[in-house]
Amino acid sequence: GNSVTQMEGPVTLSEEAFLTINCTYTATGYPSLFWYVQYPGEGLQLLLKATKADDKGSNKGFEATYRKETTSFHLEKGSVQVSDSAVYFCVSNDYKLSFGAGTTVTVRA
Amino acid sequence: DVKVTQSSRYLVKRTGEKVFLECVQDMDHENMFWYRQDPGLGLRLIYFSYDVKMKEKGDIPEGYSVSREKKERFSLILESASTNQTSMYLCASRTGTGGRGSNQPQHFGDGTRLSIL
Repeated sequence: GNSVTQMEGPVTLSEEAFLTINCTYTATGYPSLFWYVQYPGEGLQLLLKATKADDKGSNKGFEATYRKETTSFHLEKGSVQVSDSAVYFCVSNDYKLSFGAGTTVTVRA
Repeated sequence: DVKVTQSSRYLVKRTGEKVFLECVQDMDHENMFWYRQDPGLGLRLIYFSYDVKMKEKGDIPEGYSVSREKKERFSLILESASTNQTSMYLCASRTGTGGRGSNQPQHFGDGTRLSIL
């Protein structure tokens, strides 16, 4: 079955720093890949997605590229803001969703 | 926008009680899901339903059951609540197009934080 491994947190950054959260997946087929974000006290929201190899998903300054050769879907943002403080989940979707454990990101002013 | 509504944000129940968590979505989605979220464990799938009256066990179904009598509503039932079921419960829905919707994202409710005393 599918599984997802993402970088453990917590991650603490200063505003305008570069953020990378690593994510790798295992799958028997060719899953769609997603990043979800959970702000404090809220449910999960879709941040971006990619459905096939070499697709790049992007939203709110975040990007992630579906790399089939390295089975990775790393999340990046060039300049983070305090409002980006949240928990980020990497998700693989083949038959059903497989979630990473989540990475808590705190951005300090 | 898709709206997934969970009936309670916070709930406190006693050990042994039968507990119902309700979830309603307004986008005519075929697929609905129940997860629990615990620190250090991420999200774990309890049950899911691909259509009305259909249900399948997820990764941790023990101690839970579900009901899907109408397309828009998916209920999670704790038959006899125990303290180890204290958790955040998240409901999600997804369109069923594209072969069980594998390319489609799930839309989540805000969660119910359940405490079993």
